[in-house]
Amino acid sequence: AQSVTQLGSHVSVSEGALVLLRCNYSSSVPPYLFWYVQYPNQGLQLLLKYTSAATLVKGINGFEAEFKKSETSFHLTKPSAHMSDAAEYFCAVSGPYNNNDMRFGAGTRLTVKP
Amino acid sequence: GAGVSQTPSNKVTEKGKYVELRCDPISGHTALYWYRQSLGQGPEFLIYFQGTGAADDSGLPNDRFFAVRPEGSVSTLKIQRTERGDSAMYLCASSLIPRPPYEQYFGPGTRLTVT
Repeated sequence: AQSVTQLGSHVSVSEGALVLLRCNYSSSVPPYLFWYVQYPNQGLQLLLKYTSAATLVKGINGFEAEFKKSETSFHLTKPSAHMSDAAEYFCAVSGPYNNNDMRFGAGTRLTVKP
Repeated sequence: GAGVSQTPSNKVTEKGKYVELRCDPISGHTALYWYRQSLGQGPEFLIYFQGTGAADDSGLPNDRFFAVRPEGSVSTLKIQRTERGDSAMYLCASSLIPRPPYEQYFGPGTRLTVT
C-alpha cells in the first residue's frame, strides 16, 4: 500500500519568494506521484505528475517538482510566488497496476503575503 | 469542452434523511471516481466505476452509502439515514484512461451538511 505525508499544513510566503511544499511518499512499488491544487469552492486541478520518465517534472503556473528516490520525496517548488498561488495543495500517490488506488496527503494551505 | 459537473453544489439535510448527489463526468470518460473530503483532509477514495459497473467499492464506509452509474455516464451517490458525521465535501472525478498514470479530472464538489 502506498501513502504520502505532507509536511506542514500551512505555509506562508511573501510575494516573489520561493515556494517549497514538502511531500514524502511510501510505496512498495515504483509509484506515480501527483500534485493537485484546489482553489476555494473549486475541484482539484492537476499541477504536474511524475511517471518515471524524468525526475524533474515541470507543471503549470511555473511549478515544478523533483522525484528523489533516495529521500522518498517529491517536493513542489516555484521560484517566485504570486498572490494567485494562494490555495490548497495536495500531493498524491498511486501504484503502477491499480487504477483506483490514488491516495492523497492531508494538504498544505499556501498563503501569499503582499 | 465541459468539465465534470456536480449537483447540487450545497446540500443541507437533517439527520436521518436520504440524500442523492449527482455527478456528470466528462463526455467519453469511462472511469468515474467518488471521493469524500473532510475539513482539513485530503480526498478519501469511496468508489470507482469502470463503465456501468462498480469496479471497486472498498472505500464506502458502510452500507448506508451506495452509488450507481446505470448508463455508464452520470453517477449518483446515495446516502441513507444520514448522520452528522457524513458532513463533508463529496468530490467526483473522471478519467479517459482507467490506468495509471491517468489524470483524474475533478468536479467542484457537493458540500453536504447534516444537521
